[in-house]
Amino acid sequence: SQTIHQWPATLVQPVGSPLSLECTVEGTSNPNLYWYRQAAGRGLQLLFYSVGIGQISSEVPQNLSASRPQDRQFILSSKKLLLSDSGFYLCAWSVSREQYFGPGTRLTVT
Amino acid sequence: LAKTTQPISMDSYEGQEVNITCSHNNIATNDYITWYQQFPSQGPRFIIQGYKTKVTNEVASLFIPADRKSSTLSLPRVSLSDTAVYYCLVGPGGSSNTGKLIFGQGTTLQVKP
Repeated sequence: SQTIHQWPATLVQPVGSPLSLECTVEGTSNPNLYWYRQAAGRGLQLLFYSVGIGQISSEVPQNLSASRPQDRQFILSSKKLLLSDSGFYLCAWSVSREQYFGPGTRLTVT
Repeated sequence: LAKTTQPISMDSYEGQEVNITCSHNNIATNDYITWYQQFPSQGPRFIIQGYKTKVTNEVASLFIPADRKSSTLSLPRVSLSDTAVYYCLVGPGGSSNTGKLIFGQGTTLQVKP
């Protein structure tokens, strides 16, 4: 069966520090991969999606970036975090019309 | 991608049937309708998906009228554990597309004892 992993589960980082969140998928090949952010009490905002290795599409302008170095690995990064980057970050994968979400990372920027 | 409109919140009591309606007036011919459920501090979970008429699984039913401009998620005999946010999404089907989904605010369902 397919499994999606995200780490860390929670993270507290100071403003201006770098960020690296990792997502890996098991049990499937060539999935579409997605990064979402959810601010407190809000809906999910699609940040990036990838249809293959090295192929990244950005949905919103921001100081975040994404990379897909391997088929089942998706990384979300930032060189300098802002207070507004705080939120719940979710990775998801799909191979058809359904998306499956990871457990998420709760990021607090102080 | 088609925009969706759904109520911000709904209240119900245990054992009742809950129907959440979603409007998607500009749905495209190749769009599917999908519903997700999200509990606090968890990622959304797929509930049900349909293209037209009625779809039923072990969790819910999805009713889609002929014009496909709206859809209704039906949860039979809800329990307290069904308290969650429910999202209606519309997007293209097929394995060759990007699978992009645009989440709206969702409907917060509160089930009371």
